[in-house]
Amino acid sequence: DADVTQTPRNRITKTGKRIMLECSQTKGHDRMYWYRQDPGLGLRLIYYSFDVKDINKGEISDGYSVSRQAQAKFSLSLESAIPNQTALYFCATSDFGTGKGEQYFGPGTRLTVT
Amino acid sequence: GQQLNQSPQSMFIQEGEDVSMNCTSSSIFNTWLWYKQDPGEGPVLLIALYKAGELTSNGRLTAQFGITRKDSFLNISASIPSDVGIYFCAGSYLSSNTGKLIFGQGTTLQVKP
Repeated sequence: DADVTQTPRNRITKTGKRIMLECSQTKGHDRMYWYRQDPGLGLRLIYYSFDVKDINKGEISDGYSVSRQAQAKFSLSLESAIPNQTALYFCATSDFGTGKGEQYFGPGTRLTVT
Repeated sequence: GQQLNQSPQSMFIQEGEDVSMNCTSSSIFNTWLWYKQDPGEGPVLLIALYKAGELTSNGRLTAQFGITRKDSFLNISASIPSDVGIYFCAGSYLSSNTGKLIFGQGTTLQVKP
């Protein structure tokens, strides 16, 4: 079984709808991240969480919100989806205890906003 | 803010050829990571570097942490068709305690059999 899972894998939604993307991990890591990937722009950080009580904005947090429901679960919400939020979304985890900064990614969610 | 420049943006090579790509930063890092992304999948960690000058191999892949701490290089020897994908560099300055990574724009590799 995959260590980092994301649901759904694909989603098509309409402008103005609220949508939630979910991420779960079995790696036991304390830190979790949400990224957005657009062609030619690499990966950009939306939000990150160091533990259940700690949530931080990344470089492109406008229009997004997150919830860390448990150490293993981190969800990303688009309150009112717009077409330029069409992208690939990745969740990642890391273990602060190793001190190494390596992040491990889920398989991604392809989101299309029409 | 911090920026990473990754080059080349894309490469189209013949099977068996060697490949080189690099990343440069406007700031110093104390961690460099190299990832590969296959179509429809998430990035997978290939090599991690933690010390200036460090040279690390993973099979046919070799990566180096630049002496200036502002650059890193990835080489792939004797390329094969399954090397196709997007390669990303990522850097971090861990003493900031954020654990945040800065990613390059990616190098798209295509291999002709």
